[in-house]
Amino acid sequence: RKEVEQDPGPFNVPEGATVAFNCTYSNSASQSFFWYRQDCRKEPKLLMSVYSSGNEDGRFTAQLNRASQYISLLIRDSKLSDSATYLCVAQSNTGNQFYFGTGTSLTVIP
Amino acid sequence: GAVVSQHPSRVICKSGTSVKIECRSLDFQATTMFWYRQFPKQSLMLMATSNEGSKATYEQGVEKDKFLINHASLTLSTLTVTSAHPEDSSFYICSARDPLAGIAKNIQYFGAGTRLSVL
Repeated sequence: RKEVEQDPGPFNVPEGATVAFNCTYSNSASQSFFWYRQDCRKEPKLLMSVYSSGNEDGRFTAQLNRASQYISLLIRDSKLSDSATYLCVAQSNTGNQFYFGTGTSLTVIP
Repeated sequence: GAVVSQHPSRVICKSGTSVKIECRSLDFQATTMFWYRQFPKQSLMLMATSNEGSKATYEQGVEKDKFLINHASLTLSTLTVTSAHPEDSSFYICSARDPLAGIAKNIQYFGAGTRLSVL
């Protein structure tokens, strides 16, 4: 079983739509969680860390449910520039390893 | 956030040659750096953890004699793909953490990646 699993999509949504991605992780001892964004043929860039209490950054909201071992990302009022692959990441309890999901592809359509 | 520089960004080489990729932390010291490989439409796969002043830790299935890692200083790690073959063609990305970054110490910052094409 993969450490982190995501629905690969693709998600094709119109501008202004709200879209949500979910991700599950298998290791209950995982320490920290993140959402990264990766544009085509580019390196991943940190979008936001995910905290148990949930956190929001502008149009983006991330939540962590430790009991069910899933992480979510909500994007409101989608922009064309949001088109990318979103990677869910769980950090091992040792702190040294990052486990990446396969990514969820989002395309925002005009 | 912290800046990680990776060079070169693109390499095209003949089969059998060796290719060296550099990863530098520009504004912080990184005792640990990470090397990933990403094939098209797949996720990043950790190849090895590079430790300053000691041997790298390789993930299962990664040949340490083929992918040589050197982490000789707190700001530089190198990955050398020895005797490259077409199946080694991939996107190689390094990352580093800033251990002194307080609550941000767990965040990994990525280099821009190196696209290797072996002919």
